[in-house]
Amino acid sequence: SFELTQPPSVSVSPGQTARISCSGDALPKQYAHWYVQKPGQAPVMVIFKDSERPSGIPERFSGSTSGTTVTLTISGVKAEDEGDYYCQSGDTGGTWVFGGGTKLTVL
Amino acid sequence: EVQLLESGGGLKQPGGSLRLSCVDSGFTFRTYGITWVRQAPGKGLEWVSTISNTGGTIYYADSVKGRFTISRDNFKSTLYLEMNSLRAEDTAVYYCAKLAPGAFGMDVWGQGTTVTVSS
Repeated sequence: SFELTQPPSVSVSPGQTARISCSGDALPKQYAHWYVQKPGQAPVMVIFKDSERPSGIPERFSGSTSGTTVTLTISGVKAEDEGDYYCQSGDTGGTWVFGGGTKLTVL
Repeated sequence: EVQLLESGGGLKQPGGSLRLSCVDSGFTFRTYGITWVRQAPGKGLEWVSTISNTGGTIYYADSVKGRFTISRDNFKSTLYLEMNSLRAEDTAVYYCAKLAPGAFGMDVWGQGTTVTVSS
């Protein structure tokens, strides 16, 4: 199996840019996807295939990849963006893995 | 529109069994793969199992392999997770989630059902 590593927390002020990283050896070969989970709610996909945005997700959410690291970027952060963000990927054997999650705090 | 609703959670003793269900109230259930993801109290997300749209391809996490069985009934638009030999570490909220086209992530999630394993 493989692992995905995220920072436990990221803090930004409203209007600033938040960047959340996710590292894993499999990422150069496998797509990564991102989800946000707010307290008491189910996760919601915000980015798929490294950088594509599902319909209904604001344009301030974007994704990028470089080598073994993928990055979720939230531009012009709003208070409503607070939550736990998880990256997720899979291997060719059908195993899926989530990163440990990053708590985004909007100061 | 796909809407998923889980049920079947509850309190069980270690070693017990439980069957979770996930119903799609839409009309496209047979067209997509679907997965179970769980979240222990205060912890992150953990992938549990995935089944293809026909049921012909199934994957399990090592932590549940041999104890849990995923299945689906496309006529009833229902996904199941049969959980046997339950352990305290199986305590979690269990979500079903629809696979996006191409299995690129999970684009629709249910609200979850809670399983507690305790004596």
